[in-house]
Amino acid sequence: QKEVEQNSGPLSVPEGAIASLNCTYSDRGSQSFFWYRQYSGKSPELIMSIYSNGDKEDGRFTAQLNKASQYVSLLIRDSQPSDSATYLCAVVRGSTLGRLYFGRGTQLTVWP
Amino acid sequence: KAGVTQTPRYLIKTRGQQVTLSCSPISGHRSVSWYQQTPGQGLQFLFEYFSETQRNKGNFPGRFSGRQFSNSRSEMNVSTLELGDSALYLCASADGGGLQETQYFGPGTRLLVL
Repeated sequence: QKEVEQNSGPLSVPEGAIASLNCTYSDRGSQSFFWYRQYSGKSPELIMSIYSNGDKEDGRFTAQLNKASQYVSLLIRDSQPSDSATYLCAVVRGSTLGRLYFGRGTQLTVWP
Repeated sequence: KAGVTQTPRYLIKTRGQQVTLSCSPISGHRSVSWYQQTPGQGLQFLFEYFSETQRNKGNFPGRFSGRQFSNSRSEMNVSTLELGDSALYLCASADGGGLQETQYFGPGTRLLVL
């Protein structure tokens, strides 16, 4: 079983819709969770971090964490064509500071 | 604050050569992590340095090595390059503040091995 798994995609949504990105992780000791966005040919940029169960909102983005189900998600409301990118879920395990475990990413396309 | 910088941005080498990549972290950050990104394998962790000490190491052969200097700048070296080493090499810096530290990525060095 992989450390971090994401819905494979690609995901395609119309402009203005809600995009839902999902991620599961295998280590129950995982403590910190991150969503990065990566445009083609660019490096990952941080969108959200979440550490506690529940929802965390930042503008059009909402991260949700459920440690019991080992599940983290990212909702993008009012999706824009500029949101078209690959979204990477990353996890820090309790025993490995300084190391992010990444999922393979979900490619999102928002069409006008 | 200035972001993470990496040099060079692009590099072409031939098999058997060696290469050194450089990373300057965000001012005040003491942790530097290195990752390799390829279309086939995604983002894979190479190693992480904190206060000049290697704190974590991924599952890469010994041809991949790194170090960190007292000013937190880091270098990684790949010896005896292979075609499969062609990748985007990313470094990320963090303040080293524990489990909730956030890693910020540099623009990457794109290495092509011919």
